[in-house]
Amino acid sequence: GENVEQHPSTLSVQEGDSAAIKCTYSDSASNYFPWYKQELGKRPQLIIDIRSNVGEKKDQRIAVTLNKTAKHFSLHITETQPEDSAVYFCAAIQGAQKLVFGQGTRLTINP
Amino acid sequence: DGGITQSPKYLFRKEGQNVTLSCEQNLNHDAMYWYRQDPGQGLRLIYYSQIVNDFQKGDIAEGYSVSREKKESFPLTVTSAQKNPTAFYLCASSPRTGGDTGELFFGEGSRLTVL
Repeated sequence: GENVEQHPSTLSVQEGDSAAIKCTYSDSASNYFPWYKQELGKRPQLIIDIRSNVGEKKDQRIAVTLNKTAKHFSLHITETQPEDSAVYFCAAIQGAQKLVFGQGTRLTINP
Repeated sequence: DGGITQSPKYLFRKEGQNVTLSCEQNLNHDAMYWYRQDPGQGLRLIYYSQIVNDFQKGDIAEGYSVSREKKESFPLTVTSAQKNPTAFYLCASSPRTGGDTGELFFGEGSRLTVL
């Protein structure tokens, strides 16, 4: 089955700097890769996703890139702000509607 | 007010007891899921259902059971056979089935503690 590895597990950056989180997946048939953000004590929420027919997608300060050949995808956050502090999860689809999540990255933005 | 509701938010159980976590959605979503969240391990899939009266095991189904008698409801029972049930449980739903995956909408979670 699908296996998703996410790195790093923790990340600390200065406010205003950029942050990047990388995920690798094992199933070359996977075709949907969402990113979820979970703030402390709250439910995970989708922040951006990408499908296998595109290589990059951007939404204001966040972007996701996908390398199908190497089977990895990354989340990039620019001009980080304190409200970006959260746990971020990547995921990959395995079959129909079965998302497999990475282990999560705790991002801390230092003022 | 549309959404996905989990109850109870906190639950304590003695060893050897079964407990059922409720998950209800009024989003008219076909697919529903149960995930378990442990520190440092991400979200692990317990069971999922794409349609009423049908469900599939996820990666960690042992010691759990589910039912999907109504589209709106997907309760999870944590049985006494689950070796380490203390965890945070998240229910989610998704608007699409088949090959076109949709966004997962999560409930607020249920924290189960076994005493």
